[in-house]
Amino acid sequence: QLQLQESGPGLVKPSETLSLTCTVSGGSITRSSYQWVWIRQPPGKGLEWIGGIYYTGTTYYTPSLKSRVTISVDMSKNQFSLKLTSVTAADTAVYYCARVISGYERSYYYYYMDVWGKGTTVTVSS
Amino acid sequence: SYELTQPPSVSVSPGQTARITCIGDALPKQYASWYQQKPGQAPVLVIYKDNERPSGIPERISGSSSGTTVTLTISGVQAEDEADYYCQSADSNGPSVVFGGGTKLTVL
Repeated sequence: QLQLQESGPGLVKPSETLSLTCTVSGGSITRSSYQWVWIRQPPGKGLEWIGGIYYTGTTYYTPSLKSRVTISVDMSKNQFSLKLTSVTAADTAVYYCARVISGYERSYYYYYMDVWGKGTTVTVSS
Repeated sequence: SYELTQPPSVSVSPGQTARITCIGDALPKQYASWYQQKPGQAPVLVIYKDNERPSGIPERISGSSSGTTVTLTISGVQAEDEADYYCQSADSNGPSVVFGGGTKLTVL
């Protein structure tokens, strides 16, 4: 059964870079039918999609974070990673990684996250 | 980008039917998904492609779509259904992904 596990520092100083890794177990990250994404949730607020990556390394990001975000994949370790630069207190959140299934059916596009990690809390504070 | 609009809260008594709506201009052209999130836990996919249920999700949870509105319906609501529910959709350009603001379901 596929499992995802986030890891990384729980505390990051303002203006520094947040770095997280998602380790995928129970399945290969290189299957072409899947994408891999990061989502975050500030305290007491809703879900915010950050961006995603195909196993080929092609990435896509939400416009509001695009200038600060990099998502990468390490196929040899079955992991993908998130880097967010120049963090502020507004980046304090629970960060989740997830697997995406997407495609077309009857000419309509579908995209959903079927497996999620448990999440990791990142606090931005000096 | 576009928005998905959900009511902030819905309250029902045990055994009744809860309906949570999600409105978005792009929904007639895109499938929607729904996620259940209980306090301190990661979201769980409960509906995808508007009305399909992943294995392990009870049949009393269902989804439907009509025009710019998708609806999550929970029949025979139980205390364990109390949670936040999020709708989500995506545009294939990018792709670009959006979540609704979430609805807190309270079981009275």
